[in-house]
Amino acid sequence: DAKTTQPPSMDCAEGRAANLPCNHSTISGNEYVYWYRQIHSQGPQYIIHGLKNNETNEMASLIITEDRKSSTLILPHATLRDTAVYYCIVRVARRDDKIIFGKGTRLHILP
Amino acid sequence: EAGVVQSPRYKIIEKKQPVAFWCNPISGHNTLYWYLQNLGQGPELLIRYENEEAVDDSQLPKDRFSAERLKGVDSTLKIQPAELGDSAVYLCASSFSGDAYEQYFGPGTRLTVT
Repeated sequence: DAKTTQPPSMDCAEGRAANLPCNHSTISGNEYVYWYRQIHSQGPQYIIHGLKNNETNEMASLIITEDRKSSTLILPHATLRDTAVYYCIVRVARRDDKIIFGKGTRLHILP
Repeated sequence: EAGVVQSPRYKIIEKKQPVAFWCNPISGHNTLYWYLQNLGQGPELLIRYENEEAVDDSQLPKDRFSAERLKGVDSTLKIQPAELGDSAVYLCASSFSGDAYEQYFGPGTRLTVT
């Protein structure tokens, strides 16, 4: 079973920041928080991951609370192309560790 | 760099017929995964290969599903015979064993069993 809890859906206006929350209260000390997204008719795409520090890349920022029980994925300037299902995943960063997906959050970017 | 290639993209078959899906991973990726995605759900792992070896096939329904990865590159997933409940998207992913963070997914094959 997925170890994360996400809202089933969210709306965000185009050009605004999209903030996607994720709860992972049972996360272990050696587990990372990953985010993937899946655009319609495509396979999932890696976005970002982090252990305890906040992370930023060209796609998004990841904010992890100090107790690591929750996190927020931030898309700073959402566009229509960001409409997708976003999956928050907790996993140990081993090469042989499978990804356990939950149902994710369906993000709708509104024009 | 070419991504993970899957074919066919769509397949419609009648129940009890066999079907096969093909995956070509990213060049140099020695780990290959097959996932099943039902409508409205996240993908679920069916089988994982390290080179030619299936190292995790615990979720593969072995009575009707089979997979192979000859020569440690391309892979084929087969269903025989197909059932109505097998209608889903079958996703292939690959990763490089030296990079523990990211799996690269193909576009998937959408199977409809009638």
